[in-house]
Amino acid sequence: GNSVTQMEGPVTLSEEAFLTINCTYTATGYPSLFWYVQYPGEGLQLLLKATKADDKGSNKGFEATYRKETTSFHLEKGSVQVSDSAVYFCAVGFGNEKLTFGTGTRLTIIP
Amino acid sequence: KAGVTQTPRYLIKTRGQQVTLSCSPISGHRSVSWYQQTPGQGLQFLFEYFSETQRNKGNFPGRFSGRQFSNSRSEMNVSTLELGDSALYLCASSPDTSKNSPQYFGAGTRLSVL
Repeated sequence: GNSVTQMEGPVTLSEEAFLTINCTYTATGYPSLFWYVQYPGEGLQLLLKATKADDKGSNKGFEATYRKETTSFHLEKGSVQVSDSAVYFCAVGFGNEKLTFGTGTRLTIIP
Repeated sequence: KAGVTQTPRYLIKTRGQQVTLSCSPISGHRSVSWYQQTPGQGLQFLFEYFSETQRNKGNFPGRFSGRQFSNSRSEMNVSTLELGDSALYLCASSPDTSKNSPQYFGAGTRLSVL
């Protein structure tokens, strides 16, 4: 079955620092890849997605590139803000078959 | 467009009781999936419905069941509640079953079993 290995947290950064959260996956075929974010007390929100190799998903300054050769989908942001503090989940899926999530990475940004 | 709506937001039950959670998907979305989120196990898939039919099911006991109505609204039911069922239950909807359709999540129902 599918699996996702995500960088363990928690991660604490200063405001304006560069962020990388690593994510690798195993899956047969050609899955779609997603990053979701969960703010305190809320459900998950789709942050970005990529549906085929070399696609780059981007949103709110975050980016991730679908790397089939390394089976990775690392999340990056050039300059984080306090408002980016949340839990980030990497996920792999095929259409509406069940999404397989990573364990989540808690990110805290210090002013 | 209204998002995915889950009711109730919070629920407290005792062991042995049963509970029903409700999910209204985004208008026009026909696929609904349910997930359980706990600190120990993370996010785990429960089941997925499309056009009133269960398409996929996760590794949960038969006490967990669900259904979908003709208007795409979905309910999940947990019978004979156990302490370990305490969790945030998330519902997600999607317009169809195509590979490129992401899931949109509701805020969840937090269930506490005492």
